[in-house]
Amino acid sequence: NAGVTQTPKFQVLKTGQSMTLQCAQDMNHNSMYWYRQDPGMGLRLIYYSASEGTTDKGEVPNGYNVSRLNKREFSLRLESAAPSQTSVYFCASCSGTVSQPQHFGDGTRLSIL
Amino acid sequence: TQLLEQSPQFLSIQEGENLTVYCNSSSVFSSLQWYRQEPGEGPVLLVTVVTGGEVKKLKRLTFQFGDARKDSSLHITAAQPGDTGLYLCGKGGSNYKLTFGKGTLLTVNP
Repeated sequence: NAGVTQTPKFQVLKTGQSMTLQCAQDMNHNSMYWYRQDPGMGLRLIYYSASEGTTDKGEVPNGYNVSRLNKREFSLRLESAAPSQTSVYFCASCSGTVSQPQHFGDGTRLSIL
Repeated sequence: TQLLEQSPQFLSIQEGENLTVYCNSSSVFSSLQWYRQEPGEGPVLLVTVVTGGEVKKLKRLTFQFGDARKDSSLHITAAQPGDTGLYLCGKGGSNYKLTFGKGTLLTVNP
């Protein structure tokens, strides 16, 4: 009963390097989301995918790209990492019906030097 | 722009005490969800409220949704160390997105 799985759990990058964060869910959910969490800032939405084949920008999309590879998988890419992107990244999914909860992964802790 | 204000930002209490945390907005919520996040983990849903004036109870936790659907509160009775965590409220929006507040970090000391 995995739920939402994120890989890797930890990563250290140098400024300018690229990286893809992976997320997969096994609950047959329609909607998937990427958030970043910084101290004192709560969770901020980067990108989301309301359904397979669609993606849209959230509150803080600059410097990121996403791919909804199929219904299960939603990846987040940093093309040229910057220190300001040091954060904890969470992926979430939900069934896409009103009042249904978002199910979160355990996060990827990303440090950019 | 933070659309949700949570207060207090930090709260440290002794085991057995009662506490209330708040989530407020200047605009109406269609729905509101409360989550608890423990260190090193993702947030986990506690409750969803959708109707103005609604009160829901989950063991020692009582959730209230304001009549005007612009505010919500979470009351914990006889707090225990296991209640320690970051409490987040999230406002429902289009495409089932959530806009979160900054959270209340609760520490319950034994």
